[in-house]
Amino acid sequence: QVQLVQSGAEVKKPGASVKVSCKASGYTFTSYGISWVRQAPGQGLEWMGWISAYNGNTNYAQKLQGRVTMTTDTSTSTAYMELRSLRSDDTAVYYCARVSVDYYFDYWGQGTLVTVSS
Amino acid sequence: DIQMTQSPSSLSASVGDRVTITCQASQDISNYLNWYQQKPGKAPKLLIYDASNLETGVPSRFSGSGSGTDFTFTISSLQPEDIATYYCQQYDNLPPGITFGQGTRLEIK
Repeated sequence: QVQLVQSGAEVKKPGASVKVSCKASGYTFTSYGISWVRQAPGQGLEWMGWISAYNGNTNYAQKLQGRVTMTTDTSTSTAYMELRSLRSDDTAVYYCARVSVDYYFDYWGQGTLVTVSS
Repeated sequence: DIQMTQSPSSLSASVGDRVTITCQASQDISNYLNWYQQKPGKAPKLLIYDASNLETGVPSRFSGSGSGTDFTFTISSLQPEDIATYYCQQYDNLPPGITFGQGTRLEIK
């Protein structure tokens, strides 16, 4: 069965960077894209960007351009999201999700809480 | 960029009621509209894709309709386990991007 398993919770200081991983199993990793979506406490869902696991092409939300980098390691079927220059409003649960051909998210990771606090 | 307006933001209904949530796009998005259910502390779950297609394993009381700019999500007979927040999500290719609606928090009356 398809599974996306994310790395554990992180606590970071303002200005630091965080890198969250998302290990996929149960399907051919390179046949789908991976998106990252975050959710601040008590807030809605915010799309961060997308990476093709086939060729590494990326598309980032304009708001995060320059601070976020998404990568994949096809040898381990793992996707990564790195966010730099962290601020307190980056505190959120970060989800990875598999992206279908029609840009819907059919499988999700369990979420990773990133807390930014001095 | 395309804006999504989801309404209502919250909704209280009784078990057995028919519940409807709407999502309006600022431009024509064809049928690139999907619906998710999120329960507290859990990841979102895909219910409806491409406006009206029921995801495998999702109960048939959930349905979606619409195309272009106006979309509707319906629960035909509300069950206690349907208490959650529901989100619409659209895909835009110019520029490429994805937007979620603001969410609808559904409670039992």
